[in-house]
Amino acid sequence: DIQMTQSPASLSASVGDRVTITCRASQSISSYVNWYQQRPGKAPKLLIYAASNLQSGVPSRFSGSGSGTDFTLTISSLQPEDFATYYCQQSYSSPQTFGQGTNLEIK
Amino acid sequence: EVQLVESGGGLVQPGGSLRLSCAASEFMFSSYWMSWVRQAPGKGLEWVANIKQDGNEKYYVDSVKGRFTISRDNAKNSLYLEMNSLRVEDTAVYYCARPRSSGSSRRAFDIWGQGTMVTVSS
Repeated sequence: DIQMTQSPASLSASVGDRVTITCRASQSISSYVNWYQQRPGKAPKLLIYAASNLQSGVPSRFSGSGSGTDFTLTISSLQPEDFATYYCQQSYSSPQTFGQGTNLEIK
Repeated sequence: EVQLVESGGGLVQPGGSLRLSCAASEFMFSSYWMSWVRQAPGKGLEWVANIKQDGNEKYYVDSVKGRFTISRDNAKNSLYLEMNSLRVEDTAVYYCARPRSSGSSRRAFDIWGQGTMVTVSS
């Protein structure tokens, strides 16, 4: 099975900050990485698919990059509604594992 | 509106069984791989299982193999998860999820249900 190692586990930042979350796969997975945002008590929401493609309706301050084993999610200028938990996921092969999550908190 | 609605969760004793359902609407259900994803209280997301359009390919996370069975009824636009020999560690919110395009299993999940809670406790 492919392991997804996500870091950091938690992150404190301020409105307007630029933040980056990383995910490393245990083997090469091409660009089959997706990023989700989850708010408490809600289902996850797709932000980025296939490593760098912005899902329809998602603000352009979110971006993704990477291929092979190393991937990043960047939020260019944090907004109050961005404080949530973020997950990477590999869809290269089943089981389609998720990273452990990054809890983004207000500083 | 494209929608997934889960049902069937509840409280069950260790060793018991439960069957979850996911009703799909406003898209061609039979054209999509479908998945179950769970989240234990206060924990991260865990992919559980997926099933091909015709039901002839199924994959499971190791922790549920031999105990859980994913199935579907395309005529009823419904996805199921039969859970047997339940353990305390199976306690979670269970979501069904649809990939953003039909055909392949290698697509991100753009449609999620609201989730159904399964509690395994004596």
